[in-house]
Amino acid sequence: DGGITQSPKYLFRKEGQNVTLSCEQNLNHDAMYWYRQDPGQGLRLIYYSQIVNDFQKGDIAEGYSVSREKKESFPLTVTSAQKNPTAFYLCASSTRTGAYEQYFGPGTRLTVT
Amino acid sequence: AQSVTQPDIHITVSEGASLELRCNYSYGATPYLFWYVQSPGQGLQLLLKYFSGDTLVQGIKGFEAEFKRSQSSFNLRKPSVHWSDAAEYFCAVGVIVGGGADGLTFGKGTHLIIQP
Repeated sequence: DGGITQSPKYLFRKEGQNVTLSCEQNLNHDAMYWYRQDPGQGLRLIYYSQIVNDFQKGDIAEGYSVSREKKESFPLTVTSAQKNPTAFYLCASSTRTGAYEQYFGPGTRLTVT
Repeated sequence: AQSVTQPDIHITVSEGASLELRCNYSYGATPYLFWYVQSPGQGLQLLLKYFSGDTLVQGIKGFEAEFKRSQSSFNLRKPSVHWSDAAEYFCAVGVIVGGGADGLTFGKGTHLIIQP
């Protein structure tokens, strides 16, 4: 089955620790994205990558970092500099031609205490 | 920069009744428009999309949406809702810059409640 996997589903960390969220896709998509979702706020774009070894900041990139070493993988690191990291994080992917619709993974809920 | 407004935070509809969820966007050119649905604690599922051509688009689960350029709107409709339609609905706008797809801009969502 083609799709996007995110792991783990739930993640708990202590304040001051960096944490890395995994996102893998087997859809052969060039572009991948990370969004953050907070209650009543919709989704906000953190980072995106249109090709391997290249990525761009989204609207709320401060306190986050990414890498894109493989086409299939786009991990997100939430650093200790992120002031309010507790949120639901969603990864998505899309082609770069034609339809451009984004397909989403199941999400990771991060709780930092 | 583009923006999306979903004026209704919550909507309650009786099962079997018709539904319309509103979406207004702001963008200088013709955007790419999407509706997604999200069940609690889950990812987003694409319902339908508009890129060009016919302004009335059909999607999955019996949903449709109409693009009205003059009103900058892309409202979602369903003639008869089912209890399983209860979820959060998001309208989103996408733009293409430099030959590649940038991220989407989402509205804040409309929470749909279905009453028996």
